[in-house]
Amino acid sequence: DAMVIQNPRYQVTQFGKPVTLSCSQTLNHNVMYWYQQKSSQAPKLLFHYYDKDFNNEADTPDNFQSRRPNTSFCFLDIRSPGLGDAAMYLCATSAGAAPDTQYFGPGTRLTVL
Amino acid sequence: DQQVKQNSPSLSVQEGRISILNCDYTNSMFDYFLWYKKYPAEGPTFLISISSIKDKNEDGRFTVFLNKSAKHLSLHIVPSQPGDSAVYFCAASEVTSGTYKYIFGTGTRLKVLA
Repeated sequence: DAMVIQNPRYQVTQFGKPVTLSCSQTLNHNVMYWYQQKSSQAPKLLFHYYDKDFNNEADTPDNFQSRRPNTSFCFLDIRSPGLGDAAMYLCATSAGAAPDTQYFGPGTRLTVL
Repeated sequence: DQQVKQNSPSLSVQEGRISILNCDYTNSMFDYFLWYKKYPAEGPTFLISISSIKDKNEDGRFTVFLNKSAKHLSLHIVPSQPGDSAVYFCAASEVTSGTYKYIFGTGTRLKVLA
C-alpha cells in the first residue's frame, strides 16, 4: 500500500543534543511537509518542499532544519532541542496539484529530557 | 490570530444519532477545505473534502457543508458509530507560491456513546 512512513515513532533526546527525524513516502508526491503538534493544539506547519524547492514558514525557529535528498525521503533536523520542542512531529505529502489533499504519516513523538 | 477555529473542544453523541462538528474560518482566500480524523498515537487520516465552488459533499455517512458567506463549514456523521470516536480536525488551504498550504483548527474530540 502507498503510504507515508515516519521513523522512529518515539524519540527521546537530551536537552541540546541534535536529533533527526525521518519521513519516507511511496506515493511519489511532489510536496512534503513537516508539522509540529503540541497537546490540544492545531498542527503547525514548519516548512515544506515542493520537489527540491524549500519553503520555510516565517515563524519557524532557526533551530529547525530540513533536508530532502530525493523524492521519497525528507528529514527534520533539530540542532539543539529545548524542552519546548517536545511535541508530535508529523510528516505529510501531497501531489501538489489541484485539488490537493495531504496524507499524513503516523508521527514521531519527541521527548526532550 | 487563528484563521481556522473549532470552538467546541469536545462533543458526545449517542450511537445512531447525528454528530455535527463545526469549523469557522476568517480568510476568504481559502478555496479548499478538508476534514481529518485522528486516533491516539496515529497521524491524521483524510476523511472528506470540499471545494469552495460547492456547498455540499457527501461520502457515505459523512457529509460536509460549506457556507461561504458565513465562512463556516460543518461535518455531519449519520449515523454515528462508536468507531467514529476520535479527534476531528478541519483544515483550510490556499495556494501560496504555487503550493497548497494548510491551516488547521485545534480539533474537536468526538465521543460516540454505545
